[in-house]
Amino acid sequence: AQSVTQLGSHVSVSEGALVLLRCNYSSSVPPYLFWYVQYPNQGLQLLLKYTSAATLVKGINGFEAEFKKSETSFHLTKPSAHMSDAAEYFCAVSGNNDMRFGAGTRLTVKP
Amino acid sequence: DTEVTQTPKHLVMGMTNKKSLKCEQHMGHRAMYWYKQKAKKPPELMFVYSYEKLSINESVPSRFSPECPNSSLLNLHLHALQPEDSALYLCASSQVSLATGTGELFFGEGSRLTVL
Repeated sequence: AQSVTQLGSHVSVSEGALVLLRCNYSSSVPPYLFWYVQYPNQGLQLLLKYTSAATLVKGINGFEAEFKKSETSFHLTKPSAHMSDAAEYFCAVSGNNDMRFGAGTRLTVKP
Repeated sequence: DTEVTQTPKHLVMGMTNKKSLKCEQHMGHRAMYWYKQKAKKPPELMFVYSYEKLSINESVPSRFSPECPNSSLLNLHLHALQPEDSALYLCASSQVSLATGTGELFFGEGSRLTVL
């Protein structure tokens, strides 16, 4: 079964610093991978998705992720954090008619 | 603004009540989903409908009963719930069945359920 593991339940950065949220996948076939963001008391919003077209995927709000097959990773990055980036981030993998989420990483941005 | 609409946004019910959660989308998507999310946890898949047919039931207790009247609507009927069922219930839809592995999910803002 396909699954994703997010390393680090909580990441704290200063405003303007690099954001790096880690996600590793487990899949016997090429995976379809996603990053979602959830703000308090809201649903999930798609940040970006990997569907094998390109290994470097650019998303909304300045986020991007790189698919690395050799490392089975799909880490999310943003060069400069904003206060508005504070939220919960979920990595997800789709397949077999469903979508499964990682445990989530809470991003805190300090002024 | 989300294109998946869930009602009600908040629901408080007793353990003997019968209530329903409703979800609607007008994006022409043919797959719809119910997820349950507890505080500080990821969404957990409950049900998947593909072309109005139930395709996945993740061993959800029978006190949760899904219904898909048409391709735009998805209901979740609730009866005899327990306090531990209190959670955020998220509805989602996708353009294609995730069996193809290409569908992204569009989520509603959720219905927050409290069972007393």
